[in-house]
Amino acid sequence: EDQVTQSPEALRLQEGESSSLNCSYTVSGLRGLFWYRQDPGKGPEFLFTLYSAGEEKEKERLKATLTKKESFLHITAPKPEDSATYLCAVRLGGNTPLVFGKGTRLSVIA
Amino acid sequence: SQTIHQWPATLVQPVGSPLSLECTVEGTSNPNLYWYRQAAGRGLQLLFYSVGIGQISSEVPQNLSASRPQDRQFILSSKKLLLSDSGFYLCAWSLAGGADTQYFGPGTRLTVL
Repeated sequence: EDQVTQSPEALRLQEGESSSLNCSYTVSGLRGLFWYRQDPGKGPEFLFTLYSAGEEKEKERLKATLTKKESFLHITAPKPEDSATYLCAVRLGGNTPLVFGKGTRLSVIA
Repeated sequence: SQTIHQWPATLVQPVGSPLSLECTVEGTSNPNLYWYRQAAGRGLQLLFYSVGIGQISSEVPQNLSASRPQDRQFILSSKKLLLSDSGFYLCAWSLAGGADTQYFGPGTRLTVL
């Protein structure tokens, strides 16, 4: 059973059409939730870390929020350069490794 | 600032051949280091992680091995590659202590023929 589930698997948006990506997790004792952006053929690029329910972080057109069971990555008025795969990961605690979801592939069409 | 390097960027190897991928980190000391493999439709799979020189933890049994001969150097190896070893290999680092963000390198695309 997957501990981290991202939805949708793929999302196609028109430029300027705002939307949200979801990351739900079943683990308890969350010690951090991480969002990354990955362009084709490149390593993931860090975006945000969230640690507690109710926390929000913003960067340009992106805003990440966290509840007790899920996180949302809101994309406001996206541009074609926002097209990428967005990965979510959780850390359970201590020196435990991150557990990654399979990602959401976002395409923004001009 | 910290930077992470991986080489080679791409590699095509025959089945049964050996493998050595290298990762180095600059600008930090005693980092945690990680090797991941990313296959299409399967997400990131943690292979190995290390909290110090000579300390390697394996997450998935396979024909791969890892070594950390120096503080900021992490090597992924295999004696005999399998077709199933093809994929995108990523190295990452984080600050010691484990609670911090992981930062990824540019990756190595390995194709085993």
